[in-house]
Amino acid sequence: GEDVEQSLFLSVREGDSSVINCTYTDSSSTYLYWYKQEPGAGLQLLTYIFSNMDMKQDQRLTVLLNKKDKHLSLRIADTQTGDSAIYFCAESMGGSSNTGKLIFGQGTTLQVKP
Amino acid sequence: DTEVTQTPKHLVMGMTNKKSLKCEQHMGHRAMYWYKQKAKKPPELMFVYSYEKLSINESVPSRFSPECPNSSLLNLHLHALQPEDSALYLCASSQVAGQGTEQFFGPGTRLTVL
Repeated sequence: GEDVEQSLFLSVREGDSSVINCTYTDSSSTYLYWYKQEPGAGLQLLTYIFSNMDMKQDQRLTVLLNKKDKHLSLRIADTQTGDSAIYFCAESMGGSSNTGKLIFGQGTTLQVKP
Repeated sequence: DTEVTQTPKHLVMGMTNKKSLKCEQHMGHRAMYWYKQKAKKPPELMFVYSYEKLSINESVPSRFSPECPNSSLLNLHLHALQPEDSALYLCASSQVAGQGTEQFFGPGTRLTVL
């Protein structure tokens, strides 16, 4: 079955880098996503990575993918207080179930201290 | 217009009421989704519409009835709900249903069932 796991909480100081980790199980997943959810709001797509890539960089965000270990990470450089939110890793079900269904991890709450 | 809008923002209803949640997008997307999110949990997929046809029902109880009147609109009709159905209901859309398509989320409707 499909499963996505994340650590639940991360606390960093403003200006430091944050690294949020995720592991997934569906080896047929070809796309993996990072979403951000601020309190009381919907989900905002931050970035996604295709499974034939090892790394993707977008401004302060760097996504690393280790397909062999099914490990995904999101690094936020120069973390700001506005980055405080819940971050969800998600995999898109692949194989014959190419429905676009997303399986989300439990979410990592990022707390940024001034 | 790159927005998914949802109305109402908040809804309180009794167990005998009938109400509807509405979702709208004008991005020309042909896939639309309903998710349910309980507090401090990830979103869980309920329904997927692809080209205005229901393509996925994740064994959702019949007291939730989705409807897609046209390619821009998605409704969720609610009847005889239970207190445990209280949650944030998120709508999303994507160009088509399938891997690699970005799902854009609305802000959600926070539903309380008394």
